[in-house]
Amino acid sequence: QTVVTQEPSFSVSPGGVVTLTCGLSSGSVSTTNMPSWYQQTPGQAPRTLLYNTNSRSFGVPERFSGSILGNKAALTITGAQANDESDYYCVIYVGSGIWAFGGGTKLTVL
Amino acid sequence: EVQLVESGGGLVQPGGSLRLSCAASGFTLSTYWMSWVRQAPGKGLEWVANIRQDGNSIYYVDSVKGRFTISRDNAQNSLFLQMNSLRAEDTAVYYCARWAYDTLASWYYYDRWGQGTLVTVSS
Repeated sequence: QTVVTQEPSFSVSPGGVVTLTCGLSSGSVSTTNMPSWYQQTPGQAPRTLLYNTNSRSFGVPERFSGSILGNKAALTITGAQANDESDYYCVIYVGSGIWAFGGGTKLTVL
Repeated sequence: EVQLVESGGGLVQPGGSLRLSCAASGFTLSTYWMSWVRQAPGKGLEWVANIRQDGNSIYYVDSVKGRFTISRDNAQNSLFLQMNSLRAEDTAVYYCARWAYDTLASWYYYDRWGQGTLVTVSS
C-alpha cells in the first residue's frame, strides 16, 4: 500500500520561510506523480495552491512556491503571514488510475 | 461562476445506503474528470473515486471498492456517489471536486471544490 508522507506539523515565525514536503513511503516523488498542493482552514473546503511543480492557482500569492527537492515534492512559503496558518495537503498520482493524499501538515505561524 | 454543490448527506445506520449528488454549474461537466474526496472528523483528506468525462473509466480507493459507485449524468450536470454497506469509518464530509488538466504540462490537479456534505454512519 502506497503511503504519501507529510510532516504532521510545522511552525514558522511571521515573515519567515518554511518548506513542507510530500514524499512516498517507498520510492520518490517526481513530475510523473503530478503532485499538487492544497490549503485548508477549519470548516472550509480545500483551496488549490500549486500544480505543475510551481504553477500557482488563480489568486495564490507569490510567496507560495513549489519544487521537487531530492525525492520529494516541496511547498515553500517565503515571508509567512498569520493567515497562512492552515492545514496543507499534497495529492499525487500513484499509478493505475489511483491518487493519494498525504496526511497533511498543520502549519502554525507564531 | 463555477459552482459545485453537494447534497444527500445525513445520518445513516451501519449497513445502510446513501446517495450523494453534486450539482455542477458555470461550466460544461462533460469536459472534465470528476472526483469525490472525503474527510473524516479531525482527519486529513482522502481521495475516494474518479470518473472520466464519458463515465467509462472509473477508479476507487481500495476501502470503498465493491460498496461505493461513482456515476455522472452530463445532461443533468450532476455527479453522484452511491454508498452501500456503510460503516462507521465512512463517516466524513464528502467533497465533490473537479479535475483540471494543464495541457502544456500534461498535469492533472483539482481546481474546484464543493463545500461538502456530511455523512454520519452511526446506530
